[in-house]
Amino acid sequence: GQQLNQSPQSMFIQEGEDVSMNCTSSSIFNTWLWYKQEPGEGPVLLIALYKAGELTSNGRLTAQFGITRKDSFLNISASIPSDVGIYFCAAPPDQGAQKLVFGQGTRLTINP
Amino acid sequence: KAGVTQTPRYLIKTRGQQVTLSCSPISGHRSVSWYQQTPGQGLQFLFEYFSETQRNKGNFPGRFSGRQFSNSRSEMNVSTLELGDSALYLCASSFQDSEKKAFFGQGTRLTVV
Repeated sequence: GQQLNQSPQSMFIQEGEDVSMNCTSSSIFNTWLWYKQEPGEGPVLLIALYKAGELTSNGRLTAQFGITRKDSFLNISASIPSDVGIYFCAAPPDQGAQKLVFGQGTRLTINP
Repeated sequence: KAGVTQTPRYLIKTRGQQVTLSCSPISGHRSVSWYQQTPGQGLQFLFEYFSETQRNKGNFPGRFSGRQFSNSRSEMNVSTLELGDSALYLCASSFQDSEKKAFFGQGTRLTVV
């Protein structure tokens, strides 16, 4: 089936640093979504991307829809302690269905 | 607007028992999807309901079933529980198919002993 390969699997950074993570696939997608999950909670939608090449920001978060439509990137600038969590990319394998496939997640740890 | 509400938050069941989990979507959302999250397999799609009809089904055994009511609330049922069914079960609701945005509840943590 269609898989999303997310990297890195984990990141350990200092507060104030910028963060970059990406998600790749061998399949083409028309939508990319980025979620954040904190312990004991469900994933929270951060950014939705709908067009190849699109760059969208949400505060200190910026995500890009890759030109090939097979990848997406998420950047976090000037990280703060509350950015800690697991970040997931997701995409719908079937445009006619409300179903998402998810990457394995990037666990972000921040040293204050 | 209230978010997606899942009940109960935690459950402990014995092997062989069955369990029913409940999900109330965001008001106005007609699509409800269910996902299983485990450390080994990550987030995996179980099924999706729209207007009381199952539109999509993931690759799970028939022990996993669901339904949706006329008010869009949904339930999922797992029969003959196995130890491997221990997981966080997440419900997500969506408003417009074209946007593909899914909004998740806090999940139900199921432990099978």
